[in-house]
Amino acid sequence: GAVVSQHPSRVICKSGTSVKIECRSLDFQATTMFWYRQFPKQSLMLMATSNEGSKATYEQGVEKDKFLINHASLTLSTLTVTSAHPEDSSFYICSATTSRTTGNQPQHFGDGTRLSIL
Amino acid sequence: QQPVQSPQAVILREGEDAVINCSSSKALYSVHWYRQKHGEAPVFLMILLKGGEQKGHEKISASFNEKKQQSSLYLTASQLSYSGTYFCGTETSGSRLTFGEGTQLTVNP
Repeated sequence: GAVVSQHPSRVICKSGTSVKIECRSLDFQATTMFWYRQFPKQSLMLMATSNEGSKATYEQGVEKDKFLINHASLTLSTLTVTSAHPEDSSFYICSATTSRTTGNQPQHFGDGTRLSIL
Repeated sequence: QQPVQSPQAVILREGEDAVINCSSSKALYSVHWYRQKHGEAPVFLMILLKGGEQKGHEKISASFNEKKQQSSLYLTASQLSYSGTYFCGTETSGSRLTFGEGTQLTVNP
């Protein structure tokens, strides 16, 4: 149980393109989803927290107009990287949990999306 | 604020034990432990919710000292499959986690 599916797994595109990444919880309802960015051999850096039906909460330094997050249902959140540039190249990972208010439930991670902007 | 993990890396022979520490400068509500293999998603190991609580998962266990704002992950009789990077995540607010830099564990035959 607790499977999170993330697509696509890899994207290579030209500078200026917008890229959409989907994160789905397959066998549970995800009250909260998180989007992380991870550079090689580094930690997971939280970009934003997404609750179903409400606006995402972005971490300090993350441009909300650059990284658009939509959490339209209890099983789907999307991250759109708008007008992507080479510096946006990274590994993006989503996670989902059934908890909204506390950390007493695990986060289940998707397999990640490796984004490469040429 | 990001929790501090130590050591940064450890190399073991199969069957040896290891301890990974995670400390925070802030009060901790919970500590999560995950293992990530190269190119893959992090996999949940366990959550610790209360001071002094200890949990086990096969030969992997953890403790949480709420007063010291520290958690430790214990790996006993390590197996090859234990290789990977271990992250602790500390709860800050509203189920958000802040992850440490990770500890790279290599288990050799």
